Amino acid sequence: NAGVMQNPRHLVRRRGQEARLRCSPMKGHSHVYWYRQLPEEGLKFMVYLQKENIIDESGMPKERFSAEFPKEGPSILRIQQVVRGDSAAYFCASSSGGNGANTEAFFGQGTRLTVV
Amino acid sequence: GENVEQHPSTLSVQEGDSAVIKCTYSDSASNYFPWYKQELGKRPQLIIDIRSNVGEKKDQRIAVTLNKTAKHFSLHITETQPEDSAVYFCAASGFQKLVFGTGTRLLVSP
Repeated sequence: NAGVMQNPRHLVRRRGQEARLRCSPMKGHSHVYWYRQLPEEGLKFMVYLQKENIIDESGMPKERFSAEFPKEGPSILRIQQVVRGDSAAYFCASSSGGNGANTEAFFGQGTRLTVV
Repeated sequence: GENVEQHPSTLSVQEGDSAVIKCTYSDSASNYFPWYKQELGKRPQLIIDIRSNVGEKKDQRIAVTLNKTAKHFSLHITETQPEDSAVYFCAASGFQKLVFGTGTRLLVSP
């Protein structure tokens, strides 16, 4: 079991470009969560997805950010027209779900986005 | 929505001492409480969790206690070692998502 896989590990984008972050959940997991972590800060919830459905996007900024988890392939977090304030580590976690989200969630290695 | 508060933000102990980190949550519907350890530059890793039908759980030097009435839970690390130095996050979950505390930076001095 390869665990939660995120790529790329590091991503540098110029202001105004688009950033695409990918997350492949653990085998057998159908629930994916995205979190943002600023340096020296905690994990801020962004979005919770199941296959083909966004369950909770209450932590997503209203503009420029979107997420999907298609029937086939990884979950994608997309940031359009990046700004310097988007620089952070973005972590994906997955769980098997079951009774809501009350099963262990495992994190990927994260994507460290730097906007220059 | 759920709100999780965590204290202290930093904790320094001598090797061999015990460390206690406390969290409170707001949503009485939350029923799953994991703890994660994050070393510098690495991913958060689950170290122990507890569900609302249990008051205490122990795994070697690590234990977690839960008080549902008061809506707080704590992480206890005994016989601390330098390799326990990291940031520890508590979290609470109801039916939708994990909400994390702000983290505790634990420093264990030899």
